[in-house]
Amino acid sequence: NAGVTQTPKFQVLKTGQSMTLQCAQDMNHEYMSWYRQDPGMGLRLIHYSVGAGITDQGEVPNGYNVSRSTTEDFPLRLLSAAPSQTSVYFCASRLTGGYTEAFFGQGTRLTVV
Amino acid sequence: AQTVTQSQPEMSVQEAETVTLSCTYDTSESDYYLFWYKQPPSRQMILVIRQEAYKQQNATENRFSVNFQKAAKSFSLKISDSQLGDAAMYFCAYKGFPLYGGSQGNLIFGKGTKLSVKP
Repeated sequence: NAGVTQTPKFQVLKTGQSMTLQCAQDMNHEYMSWYRQDPGMGLRLIHYSVGAGITDQGEVPNGYNVSRSTTEDFPLRLLSAAPSQTSVYFCASRLTGGYTEAFFGQGTRLTVV
Repeated sequence: AQTVTQSQPEMSVQEAETVTLSCTYDTSESDYYLFWYKQPPSRQMILVIRQEAYKQQNATENRFSVNFQKAAKSFSLKISDSQLGDAAMYFCAYKGFPLYGGSQGNLIFGKGTKLSVKP
């Protein structure tokens, strides 16, 4: 079972560059989300989607863009990378409904220099 | 807005001993869900245990159990017979009852507790 697949696992960017973090799930989950993890800060929600064509902002959306054209894919775009975006990024998916478990990808460690 | 607080940035336990990780949360909702996730050095997020707020009985999963005190808004994790493989970062998380979907369904995480296990 593939579950939630994130690519790449590691990335180094120069300030001002753009890139897309890919996230794909094969469990037919309606709900997908992106988090960033910083030391001492836990996981903070960037953007989320409750279904294809529907996205919304989380706690820390500035500097990031998302779209959801299919149920399976939920890419995260960094439009102009900044050193403050150096972080570990996690994609998660789950069925809608309260008690459902969220499944996480392996994370992407992004460094912006 | 809901918040989750883990007041112990780091904890240490001797192998085979018992350790309790603390978590408190703030919410005005009456129905919600609480989770503990484990993150080993591999970075993978692994669900350890979950609790539904309307269930009074504390959840248990093998060596892991919770002490859920709804009135006190407390959700601590007890690990019994600690093993070296339990060494990890542990995150407490809250999820609202998704009556209308949307933001109520988002997981809100605490800052984490790093658990080390001494042989």
